Amino acid sequence: AAGVIQSPRHLIKEKRETATLKCYPIPRHDTVYWYQQGPGQDPQFLISFYEKMQSDKGSIPDRFSAQQFSDYHSELNMSSLELGDSALYFCASSRRQGGETQYFGPGTRLLVL
Amino acid sequence: RKEVEQDPGPFNVPEGATVAFNCTYSNSASQSFFWYRQDCRKEPKLLMSVYSSGNEDGRFTAQLNRASQYISLLIRDSKLSDSATYLCVVNSGTGGYNKLIFGAGTRLAVHP
Repeated sequence: AAGVIQSPRHLIKEKRETATLKCYPIPRHDTVYWYQQGPGQDPQFLISFYEKMQSDKGSIPDRFSAQQFSDYHSELNMSSLELGDSALYFCASSRRQGGETQYFGPGTRLLVL
Repeated sequence: RKEVEQDPGPFNVPEGATVAFNCTYSNSASQSFFWYRQDCRKEPKLLMSVYSSGNEDGRFTAQLNRASQYISLLIRDSKLSDSATYLCVVNSGTGGYNKLIFGAGTRLAVHP
């Protein structure tokens, strides 16, 4: 079965640079979620989108923005990167109607030097 | 105080042992509950949903006590492959939207 696809899987950036993470949900899933998991931490909810509209917002820094496109894929844009942004970024997807289970992608490991 | 609290462990148990994990949540309006499993450096994977009536999936049994805002996971006949971090997860979304709040996870190490 198709799973959530994230790209890139690994990313190394320097402070103050920008990064764009991409997420391709499971086919027919209309909702995507972004989570950040720091070393030794639990995943923290950042933001979610349903049908291309932001549906909820968590602890996402103002330096980050995200959007969902017409094909339901989503991108997380991160600017002015800081050392503390180094983390695993997971995308999850679900269907809003008839199912709430979120399926996670393999994550993008971001390292900011 | 975190919205979802778990004992971080680690729980070190021999193969074949029975182990129980507990979790409490603070948002009484939460509607759905899950246990996810996470292996090192991998994504969380849904282990099972948790219902008030309790549910069982093979060696795994989950229970929910809404009055006490308490969730449990019981693993019987532990296998080496059960070694992982178990995340207690609460859906705190409203209006039909889902927002998962994760506990810090309980580490389980099963040894021969």
